[in-house]
Amino acid sequence: DVQLLESGGGLVQPGGSLRLSCAASGFTFNNYAMRWVRQAPGKGLEWVSAISGGGGHTNYADSVQGRLTISRDNSKNMLYLQMNSLRVEDTAVYYCAKEGYIVGADRYYYYYMDVWGKGTTVTVSS
Amino acid sequence: SSGLTQDPAVSVALGQTVKITCQGDSLRTYPANWYQQKPGQAPVAVICGNSNRPSGIPDRFSGSSSGNTASLTISGAQAEDEADYYCNSRDSSGNHPFGTGTRVTVL
Repeated sequence: DVQLLESGGGLVQPGGSLRLSCAASGFTFNNYAMRWVRQAPGKGLEWVSAISGGGGHTNYADSVQGRLTISRDNSKNMLYLQMNSLRVEDTAVYYCAKEGYIVGADRYYYYYMDVWGKGTTVTVSS
Repeated sequence: SSGLTQDPAVSVALGQTVKITCQGDSLRTYPANWYQQKPGQAPVAVICGNSNRPSGIPDRFSGSSSGNTASLTISGAQAEDEADYYCNSRDSSGNHPFGTGTRVTVL
């Protein structure tokens, strides 16, 4: 069964740091790109970051660029999000998601987030 | 701009059809995915690549795209379809922004 399980959330003061982890199982981890998505209380979904299967290519939302760092350890089937210089507005549920694909009727590969974890909550407050 | 705009809320009578739209410049180039999120749950993909249904998604969900607008249609809405729906795509920088979200209420 394909599963993602996030951990590492908690309460942290503004300016502090936290590292989120996402344990993957049930699929060949290094074959798939992974993403982090967050949702502030009562707000919509916000894409945070993505990393390629080999870990050599990463992307970040402008709102977190330079403060959050995505990484992965394919030997351990683990995805990480290092969060530094945290702000109150980083308070959210953080989801990790696997990037799967579907082959359309036109034979093109379409990529999407096909498996999600249940999320871990980060609260930034003094 | 990578911003994707959706109507905040729509309502549909049980068994009727509702169409949700998502507008953004990036949709002229890149396909849209749609995610359903129920309260307290992680999102679930209902449409990917503009019009493809992942395995297990009922065929009452369909999608299309034209120009800068992607659409999700629920034909014969059921009570369990009441949820928030988000479009998602990518932009030329390799980012993957979400739309602003639409709350669907089934009356």
